[in-house]
Amino acid sequence: GESVGLHLPTLSVQEGDNSIINCAYSNSASDYFIWYKQESGKGPQFIIDIRSNMDKRQGQRVTVLLNKTVKHLSLQIAATQPGDSAVYFCAERNEKLTFGTGTRLTIIP
Amino acid sequence: NAGVTQTPKFRVLKTGQSMTLLCAQDMNHEYMYWYRQDPGMGLRLIHYSVGEGTTAKGEVPDGYNVSRLKKQNFLLGLESAAPSQTSVYFCASSYLSYSNQPQHFGDGTRLSIL
Repeated sequence: GESVGLHLPTLSVQEGDNSIINCAYSNSASDYFIWYKQESGKGPQFIIDIRSNMDKRQGQRVTVLLNKTVKHLSLQIAATQPGDSAVYFCAERNEKLTFGTGTRLTIIP
Repeated sequence: NAGVTQTPKFRVLKTGQSMTLLCAQDMNHEYMYWYRQDPGMGLRLIHYSVGEGTTAKGEVPDGYNVSRLKKQNFLLGLESAAPSQTSVYFCASSYLSYSNQPQHFGDGTRLSIL
């Protein structure tokens, strides 16, 4: 998907339910991962990060899970609220920081 | 605390015109970055700076120049704008290298080149 484009993968979630947003990363040598939230017309906003020596990290209402075996990262948002509507994208670091194109999360009232 | 401020927010240029995008941060960050965001692609690094007076090329530097005369400011210049430079430009900053901590982003400059 893409952060500002027309054909982003989308996820629609009922308000109050949990959301799970997935990210497949490309380089098995990547050792640092970041999740960003980008609201319409705004810049990316840091949500949570995780280093490769961890499998899970929790923040306020958010949890990031890292599965290095299959090169997969997920962001879980608990009790999704209308304010969570945005594009979410991940970034991975190896020799440089590479950003994904994102998933658009839509909250159903 | 304003964070990262970008000016202007919108601009339309004609091919061949020049302009400068301004970025200011009030967090005393050493590192500053310019990215562009295009449909179907993730953020791409144009240029970055590791401190006052320094600049370095990123992934897509051609057609752009930068300057970091003051620690809090990072300027991105387009000498001769081309339609391919139509994009949303984001400035970011961080205290340490982006490889060690997340960056703080501004709200972008939406630039159209006709």
